[in-house]
Amino acid sequence: AQSVTQLGSHVSVSEGALVLLRCNYSSSVPPYLFWYVQYPNQGLQLLLKYTSAATLVKGINGFEAEFKKSETSFHLTKPSAHMSDAAEYFCAVSDLGGTSYGKLTFGQGTILTVHP
Amino acid sequence: DADVTQTPRNRITKTGKRIMLECSQTKGHDRMYWYRQDPGLGLRLIYYSFDVKDINKGEISDGYSVSRQAQAKFSLSLESAIPNQTALYFCATSDPGLNHHEQFFGPGTRLTVL
Repeated sequence: AQSVTQLGSHVSVSEGALVLLRCNYSSSVPPYLFWYVQYPNQGLQLLLKYTSAATLVKGINGFEAEFKKSETSFHLTKPSAHMSDAAEYFCAVSDLGGTSYGKLTFGQGTILTVHP
Repeated sequence: DADVTQTPRNRITKTGKRIMLECSQTKGHDRMYWYRQDPGLGLRLIYYSFDVKDINKGEISDGYSVSRQAQAKFSLSLESAIPNQTALYFCATSDPGLNHHEQFFGPGTRLTVL
């Protein structure tokens, strides 16, 4: 079974500082990986996804993530935080095998707070 | 654009009541999912359906049932609600062949069981 671990349930940064949200996964086969964002009182929307093409993936709102197979990681970064980035972020891995093909397993979520 | 809609958006009910949450989609996707979100636990899969005739239990299906009335509709029922079913519920859809397993989420239903 696949699993996803997000290190740090809460991350706090100052406006303009680097954002780094950590995600590690376990999978028996090369997976598809996703970062979703949830703004207050809203559903989840896709930030970016890795689908076995380029290992450095660029997403919306200036976010990017790098797939590192050797570290089984898919950390999310943004060079300069903006107040509007305050939200909860979820990492997810897709099951590429068997009868569960296409199911997503989500991490526990990381709440990002941005201080002025 | 409201490709995935959920009704109601908020519901307060009492222990023992039967509750139905509804999900509709206009994306034409065969696959639909129900999740619940609890603080610190992320999203956990309750049930999923890969087509109208296919229903599968997820990791936390106890106390829930579903109905796939059509390709576009997938309902979640709580036969006898209990307080620990208080949570935020999300419906999602996907078409793995088109979008590399990306799932598209509805706005959520906030359910409170007193």
